[in-house]
Amino acid sequence: SAVISQKPSRDICQRGTSLTIQCQVDSQVTMMFWYRQQPGQSLTLIATANQGSEATYESGFVIDKFPISRPNLTFSTLTVSNMSPEDSSIYLCSVELRGKVEQYFGPGTRLTVT
Amino acid sequence: AQSVTQLGSHVSVSEGALVLLRCNYSSSVPPYLFWYVQYPNQGLQLLLKYTTGATLVKGINGFEAEFKKSETSFHLTKPSPHRSDAAEYFCAVSANSGGYQKVTFGIGTKLQVIP
Repeated sequence: SAVISQKPSRDICQRGTSLTIQCQVDSQVTMMFWYRQQPGQSLTLIATANQGSEATYESGFVIDKFPISRPNLTFSTLTVSNMSPEDSSIYLCSVELRGKVEQYFGPGTRLTVT
Repeated sequence: AQSVTQLGSHVSVSEGALVLLRCNYSSSVPPYLFWYVQYPNQGLQLLLKYTTGATLVKGINGFEAEFKKSETSFHLTKPSPHRSDAAEYFCAVSANSGGYQKVTFGIGTKLQVIP
């Protein structure tokens, strides 16, 4: 398995500002993923971050709103830009380990936008 | 394309009674299937997975699930749940997409265990 940490664990932000969420893994991984979990809903994939290449965004998500960095094999960041109350969600990162088909999840970042 | 349907967004059972959480899926290729659990204010933890082989899969904490291809189902059961099993449970299906597993999650079922 993998140990995944996220910072911050929660934050309350004002409309129009941006927040960068960090995801750190205790082992080198190729694929990292960012999900959004809106209140009372399931997980929706935002983007896939492959080290050494640009992130791949799912339909409905754009790089200007959710820029992602993946500087090395153990770290990634997701920025939520120009936030609005609709961005209030839990944001989770996950990883896929070599030889495994399941994903391992971080504890999540609970974001509230006022 | 793939999708997951979880029947029942909330399920309540008495402690010690059988719990059954339903999951049906659709997939254009042989699927990998998963159940994850999310405790309050935590991330998702893998309970069990089906890839190939034996259709009855045993997971952690006494949970098990049976893959039924003819019914496109992957229901989760536990014979005697404890109050500590109260959490949200997500069924998921994945398929290879450009070198990685693209996962689609169900909407989740919140399990309440009544003492």
